[in-house]
Amino acid sequence: EAGVTQSPTHLIKTRGQQATLRCSPISGHTSVYWYQQALGLGLQFLLWYDEGEERNRGNFPPRFSGRQFPNYSSELNVNALELEDSALYLCASSFRRQLNTIYFGEGSWLTVV
Amino acid sequence: AQTVTQSQPEMSVQEAETVTLSCTYDTSENNYYLFWYKQPPSRQMILVIRQEAYKQQNATENRFSVNFQKAAKSFSLKISDSQLGDTAMYFCAFNVWTGNQFYFGTGTSLTVIP
Repeated sequence: EAGVTQSPTHLIKTRGQQATLRCSPISGHTSVYWYQQALGLGLQFLLWYDEGEERNRGNFPPRFSGRQFPNYSSELNVNALELEDSALYLCASSFRRQLNTIYFGEGSWLTVV
Repeated sequence: AQTVTQSQPEMSVQEAETVTLSCTYDTSENNYYLFWYKQPPSRQMILVIRQEAYKQQNATENRFSVNFQKAAKSFSLKISDSQLGDTAMYFCAFNVWTGNQFYFGTGTSLTVIP
């Protein structure tokens, strides 16, 4: 069974541009989570989607947004890129129920130059 | 506030030895899950072990076991017979019933020395 898949693996963008990252959850999982992991730092919660709705978001500006599609895959969009947005973006998925285990993808490296 | 504290930023252990990684957490919830995730240099986060808070018995997964002290809000990970492949960053985390929130610690970097 396929795990969480993310694309692209690496992405290089210029400051001010927009980046789009994609995630496909494990089959049967309806919840998708996005985390940012800057170099040397821990995981910062970005967004949680379930059943196509944004359920919760972390302390990030509105230029970080996303959506979840009917097949439960998800996109993370980062507008007006800044140098400090350079990080590993991790997607995770889980079943939609209270108390979960989340499973992570391999991540997408975003470099802003 | 819900917090996770990993007080050991870096640790090392000789191959084949045993090492214990510490984690304390704070929550007012009574129903939650606790986790240890491993992030090797490849950067993929891998679930190591899970503990349901309502279970008194400590979880074990092969060479990995936890010491769960609910009253003390402590959740340490013991790695027995350490292997070179155990070299990674280890994150302690928990998931609470309310709002399905996940909380992660800042990680402990473990190096297994040959």
